[in-house]
Amino acid sequence: QKEVEQNSGPLSVPEGAIASLNCTYSDRGSQSFFWYRQYSGKSPELIMSIYSNGDKEDGRFTAQLNKASQYVSLLIRDSQPSDSATYLCAVNTGNQFYFGTGTSLTVIP
Amino acid sequence: GAVVSQHPSWVICKSGTSVKIECRSLDFQATTMFWYRQFPKQSLMLMATSNEGSKATYEQGVEKDKFLINHASLTLSTLTVTSAHPEDSSFYICSARVVGSEQYFGPGTRLTVT
Repeated sequence: QKEVEQNSGPLSVPEGAIASLNCTYSDRGSQSFFWYRQYSGKSPELIMSIYSNGDKEDGRFTAQLNKASQYVSLLIRDSQPSDSATYLCAVNTGNQFYFGTGTSLTVIP
Repeated sequence: GAVVSQHPSWVICKSGTSVKIECRSLDFQATTMFWYRQFPKQSLMLMATSNEGSKATYEQGVEKDKFLINHASLTLSTLTVTSAHPEDSSFYICSARVVGSEQYFGPGTRLTVT
């Protein structure tokens, strides 16, 4: 079982819709959770971090964490074509950092 | 906020030569730096984890004698690809973090071995 699992997609949503990206992790002791965005040919950039159960909102982005279900999600409201990228879920457990393989999102104008 | 730089951003070298890539944390002191490799349309692959002043920890299947990592200070880590071959052509990305925080990625170095 992989430490972090994501649906590779591709996920396509129309412009203006809500994009929902999901991630599950295997270690219940994981403490910190992150979402990164990676455009094609570029390195990942951090867009959200979440440390406690519940929702965390930042502009059009909302991260949701459910530690009991070992589940992290990222919602992107009012999706824009510029949101088209690969989204990586990352989990920090102790000194270890684990990345999912990423979900490819395409926002259709 | 946290900025990580890499140099060079791209490099072309001949087969058999060595290439050094630098990774610097510009506005913070990084307790740990990571080196990743990414082939086209594939996910990030962690190569090694490096703590300042100690030997790097390499992931399974990564040749430590081929990919030399030096982490001489809290702001600088280097990756040297020795005796590079065409199959080493890839996108190499470093990241840096302070204990308990997120990772911040450098812009990456695209290596082409001819």
